[in-house]
Amino acid sequence: EDQVTQSPEALRLQEGESSSLNCSYTVSGLRGLFWYRQDPGKGPEFLFTLYSAGEEKEKERLKATLTKKESFLHITAPKPEDSATYLCAHAGGSNYKLTFGKGTLLTVNP
Amino acid sequence: DAGITQSPRHKVTETGTPVTLRCHQTENHRYMYWYRQDPGHGLRLIHYSYGVKDTDKGEVSDGYSVSRSKTEDFLLTLESATSSQTSVYFCAISEDPRSEQYFGPGTRLTVT
Repeated sequence: EDQVTQSPEALRLQEGESSSLNCSYTVSGLRGLFWYRQDPGKGPEFLFTLYSAGEEKEKERLKATLTKKESFLHITAPKPEDSATYLCAHAGGSNYKLTFGKGTLLTVNP
Repeated sequence: DAGITQSPRHKVTETGTPVTLRCHQTENHRYMYWYRQDPGHGLRLIHYSYGVKDTDKGEVSDGYSVSRSKTEDFLLTLESATSSQTSVYFCAISEDPRSEQYFGPGTRLTVT
C-alpha cells in the first residue's frame, strides 16, 4: 500500500530561522510529488510538483527537492506569513491518484 | 485562483438524511475529485471523475455516490448520512491526471 509520511508533525520557528520539512514515501512507481500549503479554514494551495530524483524547484523562501525515497521543503529565513500546514502528496500507479501525508504544521513567530 | 466553488460551505444535518454537495468549476478541466479531510488523517479521495458521466471510486467511497452531468459540475451525495461522515469535504480539479490539482474552499459537514 502506498504511504506518505511527513515529519515533523509540528514545527515552531523564530522569524529568520531556516529549516526543512520532510516527506518520505513508499510507492510503486512515482508519477509525481506535490507540495501544498493549507491555511486554516481554506483549501490546499498548490506550491510545487517534482517528477524525478534530483529535481529542485523554488518559490520565494521555499525550495522543494526530491530523492528516490523522500522530498524536502526547505524554508529560508521564514516570516510569520509562512505559518500554515504544509502537505505533500505523491501520484502513484497507473491512474495517478494522489496519496497525501498528514501534514506539517509550521508556526513562525515574529 | 482556479475558479472552483463549493456549496453549501457549511451544513448541519441529521443522521439518516440525504445530503448533496456541489462543486462547480469555470476552468473547463476534465478531471474532478472529491476528498474528505479529518484530524489525524491526510486528505482521502472519495470519488473522482475523468469526464462527463465517467466516474470511479477512490480510497473511501463507501456511503457516497457521485454524478457528473456537465463538465463544470460534480455532485457528491450521501444517501443516508452517518456521524462518521462528519468532515470537511474538498473538491479539486486538474487538466489531466498527471497535473497538479487545484482545490476549492471546502464544505464543512456536521452530521448529528
